[in-house]
Amino acid sequence: GAVVSQHPSRVICKSGTSVKIECRSLDFQATTMFWYRQFPKQSLMLMATSNEGSKATYEQGVEKDKFLINHASLTLSTLTVTSAHPEDSSFYICSARTIGLAGKQFFGPGTRLTVL
Amino acid sequence: QQQVKQSPQSLIVQKGGISIINCAYENTAFDYFPWYQQFPGKGPALLIAIRPDVSEKKEGRFTISFNKSAKQFSLHIMDSQPGDSATYFCAAKQTGTASKLTFGTGTRLQVTL
Repeated sequence: GAVVSQHPSRVICKSGTSVKIECRSLDFQATTMFWYRQFPKQSLMLMATSNEGSKATYEQGVEKDKFLINHASLTLSTLTVTSAHPEDSSFYICSARTIGLAGKQFFGPGTRLTVL
Repeated sequence: QQQVKQSPQSLIVQKGGISIINCAYENTAFDYFPWYQQFPGKGPALLIAIRPDVSEKKEGRFTISFNKSAKQFSLHIMDSQPGDSATYFCAAKQTGTASKLTFGTGTRLQVTL
């Protein structure tokens, strides 16, 4: 299967700071990438869908000014949590999909964000 | 109509037994049904997937059974092993570049010795 990486794997930051999470598709080009948030013992909640070269589409209730998404290339998408607060602490997972692997989504290993 | 209902919430199976997880959907436009396996602190990994043109798909110890008329699909894990202990998510989506996966609520499987 295709490989998706995320960096960092875990990050601890102070309240009010911004944190950037990178998502890379290592061996395929991803025209579409997805960002999810997962709370303990819960399912994945889709935050936004990003397509290379265009603005991300955010799900209802997700603040686009707080969760900035950039999909600058076919292998890289970034999620920036701006002015992070303790309630933003969560497990953030990216996913990538390409037309060449029709219908299949591959997930990154996740990033554990802890805001103090 | 976008929901995917998954049961049970948790499951304990003895080593060597069969683990069965069920999912039901409402949206008849869904045409792709994957199952994901997630270990604690890790991202989900695609396990097996099926399209509605077949009623069953088997890959090793993992089998998906699909019932189009009932709008249900299930994951069977044969000869369950302690290493299979994880959370399993079913999902569904319809073909299309704008489509998104709709996930079930997850099933925590524990395989005991």
